[in-house]
Amino acid sequence: DVKVTQSSRYLVKRTGEKVFLECVQDMDHENMFWYRQDPGLGLRLIYFSYDVKMKEKGDIPEGYSVSREKKERFSLILESASTNQTSMYLCASSLASNTGELFFGEGSRLTVL
Amino acid sequence: AQSVSQHNHHVILSEAASLELGCNYSYGGTVNLFWYVQYPGQHLQLLLKYFSGDPLVKGIKGFEAEFIKSKFSFNLRKPSVQWSDTAEYFCAVNHYGGATNKLIFGTGTLLAVQP
Repeated sequence: DVKVTQSSRYLVKRTGEKVFLECVQDMDHENMFWYRQDPGLGLRLIYFSYDVKMKEKGDIPEGYSVSREKKERFSLILESASTNQTSMYLCASSLASNTGELFFGEGSRLTVL
Repeated sequence: AQSVSQHNHHVILSEAASLELGCNYSYGGTVNLFWYVQYPGQHLQLLLKYFSGDPLVKGIKGFEAEFIKSKFSFNLRKPSVQWSDTAEYFCAVNHYGGATNKLIFGTGTLLAVQP
């Protein structure tokens, strides 16, 4: 069965801390994504990666960076967390064919105090 | 810019009632269309999808959606909802064959089904 695993379900951090959110997929998918989910705003794409070491900015990349050193792993980094980054973060993966069919992880709820 | 509108933000129904959730998109080209569902405490998952062919598509758990190209709509329907359908539903649109890998999501509709 397809699986996308996010390492942390719940995190609480302080303003200014560096935050790592990790995601692993076991489907050998080429594409991986990080979304942010906020009530009333839906899902907004932060970053996308289509291959190892390759990345593209999404709609809201400011304040975030990503790392993809291995095909199965995609990390989201908040260099200096701020309170407006309190949110649910969703990782997803898909095949390179780009049909739009994504497989999501369970999400990481980050609270920045 | 491409966008997806879900006009119903919060819907409350009784069990056995019929459901229709609206979804409209703004894009002039060929699109792939999706409905995703997020049950409480679970991951977002695909409910159904339209790529081409019959504009009436059927998904899991008795859901269906109809693509009406002239109206730029892809409404989700279910004839009789159950308490277990309580979830948040997201419509999404992907540019067909595009290189952008950009799936645009609507803002979601929270459905609460009362027993």
